[in-house]
Amino acid sequence: KQEVTQIPAALSVPEGENLVLNCSFTDSAIYNLQWFRQDPGKGLTSLLLIQSSQREQTSGRLNASLDKSSGRSTLYIAASQPGDSATYLCAVTGNQFYFGTGTSLTVIP
Amino acid sequence: ETGVTQSPTHLIKTRGQQVTLRCSSQSGHNTVSWYQQALGQGPQFIFQYYREEENGRGNFPPRFSGLQFPNYSSELNVNALELDDSALYLCASSLRSATRDTQYFGPGTRLTVL
Repeated sequence: KQEVTQIPAALSVPEGENLVLNCSFTDSAIYNLQWFRQDPGKGLTSLLLIQSSQREQTSGRLNASLDKSSGRSTLYIAASQPGDSATYLCAVTGNQFYFGTGTSLTVIP
Repeated sequence: ETGVTQSPTHLIKTRGQQVTLRCSSQSGHNTVSWYQQALGQGPQFIFQYYREEENGRGNFPPRFSGLQFPNYSSELNVNALELDDSALYLCASSLRSATRDTQYFGPGTRLTVL
């Protein structure tokens, strides 16, 4: 059974700092990996989708990488802003969707 | 805004009751998936519907059932509610496959079971 782990569980950084969120998964037989953002009590917003054949995807200040063989993905956020404060979830897809438990990010003004 | 809507926003039920949650997919999407998110946890996959047929199921008992309608809207039904069913229920739509295409999530329904 696929297990997805996100480290750290919580992160607090000053505004303007660059940061990296980590996601690891146990079964490398995945179709893709997706990063989401969730604000408190809200649904999920898709940030980036990386197909299994890809190594990375970029959108604005966000860059996600995927190393399928080692079962790892990172989400890099450049020049963090207070509006980036949220929980970030990664999800991998095999025969179904498997989510990690998320990293709660607080960006301090 | 993703174009995926869910109703109701909040719901309070008592143990043993039945509940129906509703989801309208983003226009043009024919796949809908349902997830249960307990407090402080990541979403857990319940099931997926593709063109009105169940097409994948997570580790949830049969008292969790669903429907997808010709207009691709969907319902999640939960019978014999238990206290542990209290959670945020999320639906997500995608173009064809939840495992291959970007999923777009609705805002969720917060269910409280007393």
